[in-house]
Amino acid sequence: DIQLTQSPSFLSASLGDRVTITCRASQDISKFLIWYQQRPREAPKALIYGASILQSGVPSRFSGSGYDREFTLTISGLQPEDFATYYCQQSKANPVTFGQGTRLEIQ
Amino acid sequence: EVKLVESGGRFVRPGGSLRLSCAASGFTFSDHYMDWVRQAPGQGLEWVGRIRRRSNGFSTDYGASVKGRFTISRDDSRDSVFLDMDSLQIADTALYFCARVFVRGNHFFLDSWGQGTLVTVSS
Repeated sequence: DIQLTQSPSFLSASLGDRVTITCRASQDISKFLIWYQQRPREAPKALIYGASILQSGVPSRFSGSGYDREFTLTISGLQPEDFATYYCQQSKANPVTFGQGTRLEIQ
Repeated sequence: EVKLVESGGRFVRPGGSLRLSCAASGFTFSDHYMDWVRQAPGQGLEWVGRIRRRSNGFSTDYGASVKGRFTISRDDSRDSVFLDMDSLQIADTALYFCARVFVRGNHFFLDSWGQGTLVTVSS
């Protein structure tokens, strides 16, 4: 199975900050990487697919990059609603796997 | 509006069985693959499995921890997907989500999710 490791696991930041979350894959997954946001007591929501393609309706302050084994999610100008947990997921091969999550909290 | 509503979660003893259902509306259900994803209390997301559409033979794939114990099926006439869970273990305690698989080119991602149904396995 393809393992995904996110860093950091926990991140504290302030409104307006720019933050970056990293996801590393245990093998080459090309650009088959998705980022999800999960707010407390809500279902996850897809933000980015194909490593860098913004899902419809997602604000442009979210961006993704990466290829092969290393990927990043960047949020530029944190808003109150961005404080949540973020997960990466690979769709290169079955079984689908998720990273362990990065919890973003207000400083 | 796409809507997914899970049901069937409840308390069950280890070794027991349970069937979860997910009712879909607001889109052409038969056109889509459907996934189940679970989340243990306070933990991250774990993929349970997938069922493809009729044109893909309704084929299925499962995560390692549930393979051989869980079975995904669908009824396109009822716009529903099901998760049959056997030999339940305490480690299966989780909120179970169904999710629609969106396909864009070679990319697959989960673009719509239900709110989940809670399964508690305990002695």
